[in-house]
Amino acid sequence: SQQGEEDPQALSIQEGENATMNCSYKTSINNLQWYRQNSGRGLVHLILIRSNEREKHSGRLRVTLDTSKKSSSLLITASRAADTASYFCATDTGGSYIPTFGRGTSLIVHP
Amino acid sequence: EAQVTQNPRYLITVTGKKLTVTCSQNMNHEYMSWYRQDPGLGLRQIYYSMNVEVTDKGDVPEGYKVSRKEKRNFPLILESPSPNQTSLYFCASSLSRGTGELFFGEGSRLTVL
Repeated sequence: SQQGEEDPQALSIQEGENATMNCSYKTSINNLQWYRQNSGRGLVHLILIRSNEREKHSGRLRVTLDTSKKSSSLLITASRAADTASYFCATDTGGSYIPTFGRGTSLIVHP
Repeated sequence: EAQVTQNPRYLITVTGKKLTVTCSQNMNHEYMSWYRQDPGLGLRQIYYSMNVEVTDKGDVPEGYKVSRKEKRNFPLILESPSPNQTSLYFCASSLSRGTGELFFGEGSRLTVL
């Protein structure tokens, strides 16, 4: 069963603009992760945020977590054409700590 | 180089012909997992393994088998493939359950005719 759902499903922007995608989930989580997938390739881990954290940064990436709204956002600043990919959130809950993935957001960055 | 290796990367087969997709990791990870990815459905977990000889069903286990006889290997077995198992398959591993980052293989694209 899919816990997290990304929004929007697709996003198209120009190089240099910021890209924001969101992830909403249904039940309380232990951790939330964001992954990136280039077309047909394996997923690559971007960032993990724990339930007691509110914000994390990694290079041009900024992730926020609002547990009261059961949502997270991934911001990519100053996007580049190379950021074109699908982005997935993954949440783990309860005692299993097994990540469950959403359907992803497809980001296209036009040069 | 730390990696998860899947084979084959591409396979076309026919209904009912048993096949195995191998997965091997060189990071001494305890946790390994198989996913399938289908358009519009995202990644769905098939089976996972917490450690050697410990496996459990994910969300879509029907039609699949796995084994974990060695820590590094986690093969996915399709005893009698059917067309609805046509999909892109990913193997992933992490240090242990709950440690976060999953490392993914490059994927195996399977077509069952």
